[in-house]
Amino acid sequence: GAVVSQHPSRVICKSGTSVKIECRSLDFQATTMFWYRQFPKQSLMLMATSNEGSKATYEQGVEKDKFLINHASLTLSTLTVTSAHPEDSSFYICSASRGRNSPLHFGNGTRLTVT
Amino acid sequence: AQSVAQPEDQVNVAEGNPLTVKCTYSVSGNPYLFWYVQYPNRGLQFLLKYITGDNLVKGSYGFEAEFNKSQTSFHLKKPSALVSDSALYFCAVSKQTGANNLFFGTGTRLTVIP
Repeated sequence: GAVVSQHPSRVICKSGTSVKIECRSLDFQATTMFWYRQFPKQSLMLMATSNEGSKATYEQGVEKDKFLINHASLTLSTLTVTSAHPEDSSFYICSASRGRNSPLHFGNGTRLTVT
Repeated sequence: AQSVAQPEDQVNVAEGNPLTVKCTYSVSGNPYLFWYVQYPNRGLQFLLKYITGDNLVKGSYGFEAEFNKSQTSFHLKKPSALVSDSALYFCAVSKQTGANNLFFGTGTRLTVIP
C-alpha cells in the first residue's frame, strides 16, 4: 500500500531557531501534498497545499513567510517553521494522494516543541 | 462552504457491543465523505469513503458507514467493538472528487471497555 514517511517524528528546538520537517511519498508520486496542524484535542487544520514545481497555496490566516513550504520533487515536500516560538509548538501532519480520485495517505506526524 | 460536525467528543462502548460514531455534514452539491482513524502520536489512517453508489459503505477493520442524504449524516458503525478499536476517529468532507482539500470534524474519541 501507499506509504507516506514524515521526519522527524519529534523535535525540540529553542525559540528563534528554524525547524525543517520532511514529507516523502515512498512508493508513489504525489503532485500534491497537504500540511496540517493539530492542536491538543482538536481537529486537523489545513495549513497549506503543496504543489510540485510551484508555489504552495496557503489557507487564510497561515503566515507563508513563517511556514515555508517547498515541493521540489514528486516525492518530497518540506515544511520549515522559521524563527519558531513556543506558540508554534504543535503536531504537524502531512498527507499525499496518488491523484484526485485516491484517498489521502498521512504521515505519522511531527511533534514540535519550542522552548 | 463545507463543514462537518461530530457531536460527541467521547464514545464509550463495551467490547463485543455494536458501536456508532456520529457525523453530520453540510456542503453544497454532492458530498464526498470520509472516515479516518488516528492512534496516539500517529497520522491518520483511511477507513472508508463515500463518493457515489450504495449508501452503505464497507471499509477497513470491519467498519462501515451509512450515507443518509435526507439527514445529511454519515455515521460510522461496527457490529462488534474490539478493545483495539479504541482511537480518535475523524469524519471529513470534500466538495471535490477524491480526497483533495478535506475538511475534518473535531474528532470523536472511542474507548472500548474490556
